[in-house]
Amino acid sequence: AQSVAQPEDQVNVAEGNPLTVKCTYSVSGNPYLFWYVQYPNRGLQFLLKYITGDNLVKGSYGFEAEFNKSQTSFHLKKPSALVSDSALYFCAVRDLTSGTYKYIFGTGTRLKVLA
Amino acid sequence: DSGVTQTPKHLITATGQRVTLRCSPRSGDLSVYWYQQSLDQGLQFLIHYYNGEERAKGNILERFSAQQFPDLHSELNLSSLELGDSALYFCASSADDLLNDNEQFFGPGTRLTVL
Repeated sequence: AQSVAQPEDQVNVAEGNPLTVKCTYSVSGNPYLFWYVQYPNRGLQFLLKYITGDNLVKGSYGFEAEFNKSQTSFHLKKPSALVSDSALYFCAVRDLTSGTYKYIFGTGTRLKVLA
Repeated sequence: DSGVTQTPKHLITATGQRVTLRCSPRSGDLSVYWYQQSLDQGLQFLIHYYNGEERAKGNILERFSAQQFPDLHSELNLSSLELGDSALYFCASSADDLLNDNEQFFGPGTRLTVL
């Protein structure tokens, strides 16, 4: 079965420092991977996706993610964190194997950027 | 603004009651997804409709049902409400072409409180 794991409930980072939010996946075949961000009292917003091609994917707000097939990871990164990046981040994989094409979300990682 | 609208924004009701949540997808999107987000269980996939037909079911209780109408808007019906049904309910839409590589666009959510 397709699944995605976010091993950290919370990540704390100082403003200006690089940040990484981890995601690992388990899929059959080629994965379709996504990152979403949720600000307080808001719906999720799409950040970036990996479908095929270059392993480094660039997205909104200066975020990027690196697809690593051998480690089955898709970690979200940003070179310099901002306080405004503090939010809940979700990794997701699209299930293409069962014919349902549903999205499977991780449990979320709360990012806290400290001033 | 994602282009996905949800009504109502807040709903307060009593146990045993029945409510209907409404979602209008982005213009042109054929897929509608429903999710439940509670504090202790993260984002749970409920159900997916594509162009009026049910495509996938997730952790949706038998007391809950949904449908997608010819104009592509969707309704989620929750009946015999229990205290544990209190949560944020999100609707998301997606273009879902043949490649199935499209991201989802989330509405602002409906906050349901069952007293």
